[in-house]
Amino acid sequence: EAQVTQNPRYLITVTGKKLTVTCSQNMNHEYMSWYRQDPGLGLRQIYYSMNVEVTDKGDVPEGYKVSRKEKRNFPLILESPSPNQTSLYFCASIHTGTQTEAFFGQGTRLTVV
Amino acid sequence: SQQGEEDPQALSIQEGENATMNCSYKTSINNLQWYRQNSGRGLVHLILIRSNEREKHSGRLRVTLDTSKKSSSLLITASRAADTASYFCATATNQGAQKLVFGQGTRLTINP
Repeated sequence: EAQVTQNPRYLITVTGKKLTVTCSQNMNHEYMSWYRQDPGLGLRQIYYSMNVEVTDKGDVPEGYKVSRKEKRNFPLILESPSPNQTSLYFCASIHTGTQTEAFFGQGTRLTVV
Repeated sequence: SQQGEEDPQALSIQEGENATMNCSYKTSINNLQWYRQNSGRGLVHLILIRSNEREKHSGRLRVTLDTSKKSSSLLITASRAADTASYFCATATNQGAQKLVFGQGTRLTINP
């Protein structure tokens, strides 16, 4: 089954404690992306990757890092989380054949206290 | 930067009625897509319309695109309670699919 898997689904952490949200896709897609979703602001892109070892900033990259060492994995790293990073995070893997389509993970609800 | 803006922000209708949601955008696009999100879950792709297309159908969904007005509409016919969800438009520019930009969404409630 084609899918994007994020872990964890829920996470409560304290300010300053480094954390990583993992994302894995089994569709051999080249493009992957991270979004955060906040009430009234919709989905905003954090980082994206066009291929292995190729990443670029989205609209709200401050406070986040990513890596793309393998095609299937695209982890999101918060080196020093702050309360304003409390949000719902989504990883997406993007098919770019004749039908451009983003496949989303189930989301990670992060709370930073 | 937000590209797509949906209108209305919330819509509540009776089951069996048609639901129409609109999306406006600012820059030239390669295609426009609609996604659905059930509460707190991941988004699911519904339909894509390319910049050279004006109308597209998929089951009970009908999407139109007016590039001169930079707007699109999503029509759901014969709505069902299971259609209750948030609906988002997303635009892809010539920069590539990795730069999909989403609007804020329309919250649709279907009342039985």
